Amino acid sequence: GDSVTQMEGPVTLSEEAFLTINCTYTATGYPSLFWYVQYPGEGLQLLLKATKADDKGSNKGFEATYRKETTSFHLEKGSVQVSDSAVYFCALSRPGNTPLVFGKGTRLSVIA
Amino acid sequence: GAGVSQSPSNKVTEKGKDVELRCDPISGHTALYWYRQRLGQGLEFLIYFQGNSAPDKSGLPSDRFSAERTGESVSTLTIQRTQQEDSAVYLCASSLRTNNEQFFGPGTRLTVL
Repeated sequence: GDSVTQMEGPVTLSEEAFLTINCTYTATGYPSLFWYVQYPGEGLQLLLKATKADDKGSNKGFEATYRKETTSFHLEKGSVQVSDSAVYFCALSRPGNTPLVFGKGTRLSVIA
Repeated sequence: GAGVSQSPSNKVTEKGKDVELRCDPISGHTALYWYRQRLGQGLEFLIYFQGNSAPDKSGLPSDRFSAERTGESVSTLTIQRTQQEDSAVYLCASSLRTNNEQFFGPGTRLTVL
């Protein structure tokens, strides 16, 4: 079945470091791909998305490119800040009338 | 309102009591979802509604859990005879259609003593 696999956390980085959180997927057809972020004490919110191959989603300095050849949607940011500390979830849509499939989440801690 | 709202924001109850959690989705969103998130864990899918129907109830942990939705709007998640392992944050989300991006509420933190 369709699934999303994220790198295990937690990830701890120093401020201004480069961030990559890996996400790979298994799906039939051409899913849309999403990154959600959950800041401490808050609900999930959409960070960025891509709807077709080679699309790049971007927001708040984060980027992710839909790579169909490697079935990946890795999240990157060139210079992280303490305020980026959160849990990041990768997700995909499936064909038909079915809900999104979420990965297990990756916790990021950025230290000053 | 503009976003998904949930109530109460916090609920503390005693083991064995019943609780009801409420979700108000974004107006016009046909799909509504319930998730559970235990401390430090990922999202656990519970149930979703397309309109007022629930095509997939397989995620409900036990028969103590039930949910309903009326008027293609408000949904209530009911947990009967609560147990300590039910303690978690219960998140609700809605989307325009089922396979669209989901918008999440702030969650209800349930603590069962």
